[in-house]
Amino acid sequence: GENVEQHPSTLSVQEGDSAVIKCTYSDSASNYFPWYKQELGKGPQLIIDIRSNVGEKKDQRIAVTLNKTAKHFSLHITETQPEDSAVYFCAELSGNTPLVFGKGTRLSVIA
Amino acid sequence: DAGVTQSPTHLIKTRGQQVTLRCSPKSGHDTVSWYQQALGQGPQFIFQYYEEEERQRGNFPDRFSGHQFPNYSSELNVNALLLGDSALYLCASSLPGTGLEAFFGQGTRLTVV
Repeated sequence: GENVEQHPSTLSVQEGDSAVIKCTYSDSASNYFPWYKQELGKGPQLIIDIRSNVGEKKDQRIAVTLNKTAKHFSLHITETQPEDSAVYFCAELSGNTPLVFGKGTRLSVIA
Repeated sequence: DAGVTQSPTHLIKTRGQQVTLRCSPKSGHDTVSWYQQALGQGPQFIFQYYEEEERQRGNFPDRFSGHQFPNYSSELNVNALLLGDSALYLCASSLPGTGLEAFFGQGTRLTVV
């Protein structure tokens, strides 16, 4: 991995609405794309990941989509709840390179 | 499974001192990576250990060094501490020989005064 851009940097949604966070990457060899949730005072928690041979993956209210042609991937959270409020990081790696992280998105879910 | 554990959780050091941080990986993981996270930023890769050797290194000076033990646990050492070394230091363990499915510890908050 080389560089990951993440948008938006902050996001506020009403409880029950959906939230979408997008990341773009530059290394065409990137083949693994995890998403992490970090709550205050804690380490990042792996919430979902996707590999380059898959276009979409779902786990309950969370889904990740990958567009390899456009080199971007997105996190979708549906039916947001106050406990979803946290900082979310996308990351990518290619082969044996280390994870490269985006700068994070602070999600606030307003009750 | 206790997951990834780090110690200590908080630490205050004086400029010029040395510090050692410790990490025990998740069961089944033998690859350990260390990251530095400044306030409001994403984690920055320091280095990765596999089979007791440093396998990859990020853009950090030689003041940052590490070690991995036969039981896969790891230490991060920082010499000649600078104020700018104040950060959250994160340890992550991952699937054997890879960076896949990396699980992070809660981190060590280092403050240099």
